[in-house]
Amino acid sequence: LAKTTQPISMDSYEGQEVNITCSHNNIATNDYITWYQQFPSQGPRFIIQGYKTKVTNEVASLFIPADRKSSTLSLPRVSLSDTAVYYCLVVPDTGRRALTFGSGTRLQVQP
Amino acid sequence: DAMVIQNPRYQVTQFGKPVTLSCSQTLNHNVMYWYQQKSSQAPKLLFHYYDKDFNNEADTPDNFQSRRPNTSFCFLDIRSPGLGDAAMYLCATSSRTGSSYNEQFFGPGTRLTVL
Repeated sequence: LAKTTQPISMDSYEGQEVNITCSHNNIATNDYITWYQQFPSQGPRFIIQGYKTKVTNEVASLFIPADRKSSTLSLPRVSLSDTAVYYCLVVPDTGRRALTFGSGTRLQVQP
Repeated sequence: DAMVIQNPRYQVTQFGKPVTLSCSQTLNHNVMYWYQQKSSQAPKLLFHYYDKDFNNEADTPDNFQSRRPNTSFCFLDIRSPGLGDAAMYLCATSSRTGSSYNEQFFGPGTRLTVL
């Protein structure tokens, strides 16, 4: 499984755009990049998944360069309720069915 | 709403006293997972079921067992809880589309305290 590296913590202010970058140098051809969000005392929640280029949904955007060795989760105009831990995961398209969580990035949004 | 339900949300047990945590789902997913999450750490997979096929992680202690009597329910049994087993236990489910496994849906977790 590809190992992921992301910043331990980030601080932001309400209304700003937040970009969290994850590196996954040994990503395999059939791996997807997936991000989960976890609030205190709750289970993780799926945010977004992509394979290459850009993916956007109602919550976030995911940017993946051509070499796929890194990815950036972009949260537009964060609010206090976006304070959470964000996990970047590399997930095989087939085969292993479970998730291996890295250390995650703790995002603190200030008023 | 379809969901993953965990009971109880908080469980207190005594050192060495067996305890069972339960998980149920209304999503009709064929894969169910149990994760352990200790304070300020990432979730760690203990085992998972694909239908009735049980898959144990290599480093999951024998003290942890699981049962899945039907599609909807899955149980985590801790035979002799130690102080180091105090943690949040997360249940998750996912479905399969062709040969791919889709996103996981997590329950709210059960926080286990061992006295």
